[in-house]
Amino acid sequence: QKEVEQDPGPLSVPEGAIVSLNCTYSNSAFQYFMWYRQYSRKGPELLMYTYSSGNKEDGRFTAQVDKSSKYISLFIRDSQPSDSATYLCAMRNQGGKLIFGQGTELSVKP
Amino acid sequence: NAGVMQNPRHLVRRRGQEARLRCSPMKGHSHVYWYRQLPEEGLKFMVYLQKENIIDESGMPKERFSAEFPKEGPSILRIQQVVRGDSAAYFCASSLPSGTELYFGPGTRLTVL
Repeated sequence: QKEVEQDPGPLSVPEGAIVSLNCTYSNSAFQYFMWYRQYSRKGPELLMYTYSSGNKEDGRFTAQVDKSSKYISLFIRDSQPSDSATYLCAMRNQGGKLIFGQGTELSVKP
Repeated sequence: NAGVMQNPRHLVRRRGQEARLRCSPMKGHSHVYWYRQLPEEGLKFMVYLQKENIIDESGMPKERFSAEFPKEGPSILRIQQVVRGDSAAYFCASSLPSGTELYFGPGTRLTVL
């Protein structure tokens, strides 16, 4: 079993839709949770960072962490074609290495 | 404020040659991480370094691969005697000593012929 599981998609939605991206994990020691966005043939770009459980909002993006269920989510409101990219969840414990999910490929159609 | 720099962006090597990938961290960052990404796969951790010290190399293949981050100059990922299976995108990331948020460079795409 992988430490971090993420559905690779692809996920296709119409412009303006609410997008929900999710990851599950097995290591209860993970404390720091991140979402990265990666455009084709580019480096990953840090989108959201959350420590421990709870929600965090930044513009159209909301990150949620449920440590009791070992489940994290990223919501994108009013999705735009420019949001089309691969979204990678990542997590780590204190002082540990950052472990990534496989990434979910998202396509937002105009 | 320059981000993480990596060079070269593209590197072509023949089987058996050496590949050297360079990474300059963001200003003020003293920790460097190397990741490898194969097509249709996520990022796989390779090694975590701070200046003159390897913190975690649990993801590095036991042979042919080495990494360093000297006191002066960029971090280097070195692959000796490359094979076709080494073809991948190699990403470097850097962080502050607290190490919470990692910022990635644009990657080096290695092709082994």
